[in-house]
Amino acid sequence: QSALTQPPSASGSPGQSVTISCTGTSSDVGAYNYVSWYQQHPGKAPKLIIYEVTKRPLGVPDRFSGSKSGNTASLTVSGLRAEDEADYFCSSYAGNNNMVFGRGTKLTVL
Amino acid sequence: QVQLVQSGAEVKEPGASVKVSCKASGYRLSGYYIHWVRQAPGQGLEWMGWINPSGGGAKYVQKFQGWVTMTGDTSVNTAYLELSRLKSDDTAIYYCTRESTLAYFDYWGQGTLITVSS
Repeated sequence: QSALTQPPSASGSPGQSVTISCTGTSSDVGAYNYVSWYQQHPGKAPKLIIYEVTKRPLGVPDRFSGSKSGNTASLTVSGLRAEDEADYFCSSYAGNNNMVFGRGTKLTVL
Repeated sequence: QVQLVQSGAEVKEPGASVKVSCKASGYRLSGYYIHWVRQAPGQGLEWMGWINPSGGGAKYVQKFQGWVTMTGDTSVNTAYLELSRLKSDDTAIYYCTRESTLAYFDYWGQGTLITVSS
């Protein structure tokens, strides 16, 4: 399966909102409500921030939200803070016990 | 608390093999699938496949079939990733991660850097 498509970069000023898209196909993102998002700071392991499209694990601020329309999922970070500067990866279930990741988006807080 | 602790970095010559361990604590390895994900330098995450530590079943992305083996030993609560016939473009950080409930990864190991160089 092919990697999900994400913009390579996104940016925003502190306090602003930014949305990162994740486009797949009708066989993965469009077929299942099993999209998750991961935040990765330099030199660190990825951290789960959104699962099942819209759900947040305990401890993840509600500034992070997820949504999906058709074959495209989105992650919105509201009230940007300096510590949100990181790489963000989406992932989706792709059927037949397969998973697929996006190529990642580097979020810069200006 | 749940933790996945991986073995340390390794440097291997092309053609060699390496085995990475992923020791789980805070839960029973048999209760959840373990997936392996790799990240080449400066690149994104690449899903490699999974192991069911309970039944021993595994699934591999096609490009990893035949030279990657994922196993689990529930007696020591540890999963393993073995890579053979290493090439320079296998240089990457290899992560183990636990699949929670369905299709998302709630805990990650700290990563193991495998460098393939002559």
